[in-house]
Amino acid sequence: AQSVSQHNHHVILSEAASLELGCNYSYGGTVNLFWYVQYPGQHLQLLLKYFSGDPLVKGIKGFEAEFIKSKFSFNLRKPSVQWSDTAEYFCAVNAFYGQNFVFGPGTRLSVLP
Amino acid sequence: DAGVIQSPRHEVTEMGQEVTLRCKPISGHDYLFWYRQTMMRGLELLIYFNNNVPIDDSGMPEDRFSAKMPNASFSTLKIQPSEPRDSAVYFCASRQTGMNTEAFFGQGTRLTVV
Repeated sequence: AQSVSQHNHHVILSEAASLELGCNYSYGGTVNLFWYVQYPGQHLQLLLKYFSGDPLVKGIKGFEAEFIKSKFSFNLRKPSVQWSDTAEYFCAVNAFYGQNFVFGPGTRLSVLP
Repeated sequence: DAGVIQSPRHEVTEMGQEVTLRCKPISGHDYLFWYRQTMMRGLELLIYFNNNVPIDDSGMPEDRFSAKMPNASFSTLKIQPSEPRDSAVYFCASRQTGMNTEAFFGQGTRLTVV
């Protein structure tokens, strides 16, 4: 069965600091990978996705993620965070040809102004 | 498309009452997922459908929970009888068949059982 772990439960940063949120998954086959963001009181929205090709993918709002197959990782990065990035971030995995999405437990990001 | 539409947005009910949550997926999407989000357990998959047929309901916590999808544009999640521990945000998501597709989430229903 697939599973997803996220390294941090809660991350607190000051504005302009760099961000890296860790995500690891367990599945031996080909996967599709996603990062979703949930702003306070809102629903989950897609931040970025990896299906194939260049392992460095760019998403909205300056976020990017790197897929490292050998490490089963898909870490999310942003060079300079803003207060408006305060949200919860979920990593998700979908096995290629699979049907279900498996979500990680989420990482809450608090950016201090 | 208006996206995945859920109703109601908020529901407050007394313990023991029946609660019905509704979801309209994005037109053309043939997968529909019901998730529950709580502080303690995070985001849990309850059940999902493909072409209106329930595929995996192993996440449904108890027999008090039931879900239906009578047609491609409508699904319900029912809790009967409701209990305070059912208080959570319930999300519906839909997805189109294909190798490279993501799930789109609704705004969620915040359920409070008192």
